[in-house]
Amino acid sequence: QIQLVESGGGVVHPERSLRLSCAASGFTFSSHAMHWVRQAPGKGLEWVAVISYDGSVTYYLDSVKGRFTISRDNSKNTLYLQMNSLRGEDTAVYFCARGLSRWVPDYWGQGMLVTVSS
Amino acid sequence: AIQLTQSPSSLSASVGDTVTITCRASQGIGRSLAWYQQKPGKGLKFLIYDASSLESGVPSRFRGSGSGTDFTLTISNLQPEDFAIYYCQQFSGFPLTFGGGSKVEIK
Repeated sequence: QIQLVESGGGVVHPERSLRLSCAASGFTFSSHAMHWVRQAPGKGLEWVAVISYDGSVTYYLDSVKGRFTISRDNSKNTLYLQMNSLRGEDTAVYFCARGLSRWVPDYWGQGMLVTVSS
Repeated sequence: AIQLTQSPSSLSASVGDTVTITCRASQGIGRSLAWYQQKPGKGLKFLIYDASSLESGVPSRFRGSGSGTDFTLTISNLQPEDFAIYYCQQFSGFPLTFGGGSKVEIK
């Protein structure tokens, strides 16, 4: 079955960096776009970034542009989110999600909490 | 960015009821809308795409409709496992955006 498992979260100080990973299994990873979406505690969902199936195209939420980088390693079936210059407002559960045609996210991981605090 | 406004933000219903959730877009998005279900501590479950196409394996009591700026999710014969939060999401353009969520609670 399709599985997406996020890792790499935790507590980090403001202005520091963190890298999230998302291990994919149960489908042909290299054929699908992949997304990161976040959810601040008790809040709604906010899309963060997407990367095309081959890594050639990326899109970002304006508030993370220049600070976050989405990437993938199709040989390892793994998606990444490098987060630099973290701010308190980046505190959230981060989900990875598989993309269908036209970028629609379908399968989602369980999420990984990132807390930015001094 | 395209704003999505969901209503109601919460509702109470009983098993067997029919509930309707609406999602209004700030500009026309054609039929580029999806619906998701979220339960506590879980990722999202994909229910409907292209406004009205049911994802494989999703019960037929879930129905989506609408186009342009106004969309609805209707759940008929509400079951205990349907009590959750529902989100709409547009994929007409980036950034992808979500509605604020509609919590369906047991009456």
